[in-house]
Amino acid sequence: GAGVSQSPSNKVTEKGKDVELRCDPISGHTALYWYRQSLGQGLEFLIYFQGNSAPDKSGLPSDRFSAERTGGSVSTLTIQRTQQEDSAVYLCASSPHRGGTDYGYTFGSGTRLTVV
Amino acid sequence: KNEVEQSPQNLTAQEGEFITINCSYSVGISALHWLQQHPGGGIVSLFMLSSGKKKHGRLIATINIQEKHSSLHITASHPRDSAVYICAVWADKIIFGKGTRLHILP
Repeated sequence: GAGVSQSPSNKVTEKGKDVELRCDPISGHTALYWYRQSLGQGLEFLIYFQGNSAPDKSGLPSDRFSAERTGGSVSTLTIQRTQQEDSAVYLCASSPHRGGTDYGYTFGSGTRLTVV
Repeated sequence: KNEVEQSPQNLTAQEGEFITINCSYSVGISALHWLQQHPGGGIVSLFMLSSGKKKHGRLIATINIQEKHSSLHITASHPRDSAVYICAVWADKIIFGKGTRLHILP
């Protein structure tokens, strides 16, 4: 596709349920990032994939969070046993390489997760 | 003290004014990133830089590695530039500033 695609755009889930968020990066982009932004808060880095290297998981807030990237393309962020504090907009970004282009990265429009 | 500090936190200016947003950081970095977040929440990546200066249209970004400081300038500002501008640095992890909320009045 022409841009970074995220699905679903909105997700409401009950506390304790598992959720999966999907990111389709731009074709050929080897670098993929997940971020989140809680209401009224700044951006928070979650996880970074670069090609076939082991992902940088240093931003994941707890072991309830995990992410995969299959075939160097689509990525899925999974949150197990969701809690209300997980409510946020989850953003995905991709780039042709780690350093980004002169303009940085291309962001998806995000998935708004609400845990009730 | 935050590792990435932006100033000002809020800025209101008249259309046409020259705008400067500052970002200071206290850690060693490999690159610095300027982002723009529109009122609807969408994020646009503006610049990624590790030295010197970059220009794109009316936007100019500079970085001084020795002083650990970057500036984002907007020339001939326009109401459509109204957004939150976010500075992020690449250290051993990615660290975001809290953003500068810019409002350009027509």
